[in-house]
Amino acid sequence: QKEVEQNSGPLSVPEGAIASLNCTYSDRGSQSFFWYRQYSGKSPELIMSIYSNGDKEDGRFTAQLNKASQYVSLLIRDSQPSDSATYLCAVKDPRNQGGKLIFGQGTELSVKP
Amino acid sequence: DTGVSQDPRHKITKRGQNVTFRCDPISEHNRLYWYRQTLGQGPEFLTYFQNEAQLEKSRLLSDRFSAERPKGSFSTLEIQRTEQGDSAMYLCASSSDSFNEKLFFGSGTQLSVL
Repeated sequence: QKEVEQNSGPLSVPEGAIASLNCTYSDRGSQSFFWYRQYSGKSPELIMSIYSNGDKEDGRFTAQLNKASQYVSLLIRDSQPSDSATYLCAVKDPRNQGGKLIFGQGTELSVKP
Repeated sequence: DTGVSQDPRHKITKRGQNVTFRCDPISEHNRLYWYRQTLGQGPEFLTYFQNEAQLEKSRLLSDRFSAERPKGSFSTLEIQRTEQGDSAMYLCASSSDSFNEKLFFGSGTQLSVL
């Protein structure tokens, strides 16, 4: 079992729709969770962090965390073609004293005009 | 520009050659990380530094790989006797050891081994 799992996609949504990206993790001790966006050929860019159960909203993005189910999600409202990218779920390794992150394989999102 | 800086952006080398990459972290960040990413995969952790101390190395980091951060500022990643399987994007990230720290990535070095 991979430590952080995501559907690789591609996930295709029409412009203006809600895109829902999901992630599960295996270590119940994990406490910090992140979503990164990565455009083709570019490096990952941090877009959201979440540490407590529930929802956290930032503009068109909402991160959701359910530690009991070991599940993290990212919702993108009013999706735009510019949101087309790979979205990486990352979990801070609870066994590491530093900020080491464990990444999923990423979900490719395509927003069609 | 005060972000994480990596050099070079692209490197093409022949199998068996040695290559070295450099990373300059955000100036106030004392933690520095190296990751490797291949096409269609998420970044894989290689190693991390707290100031000049290398505190963790992944099993992915064979004895052909070595990383240094001599004065706790910039870092170098060297690959000796490169193999075609080393072809990947090498990403550097930095963070501060604060509560709820966040990692910020540089633009990466794309390595192609022919």
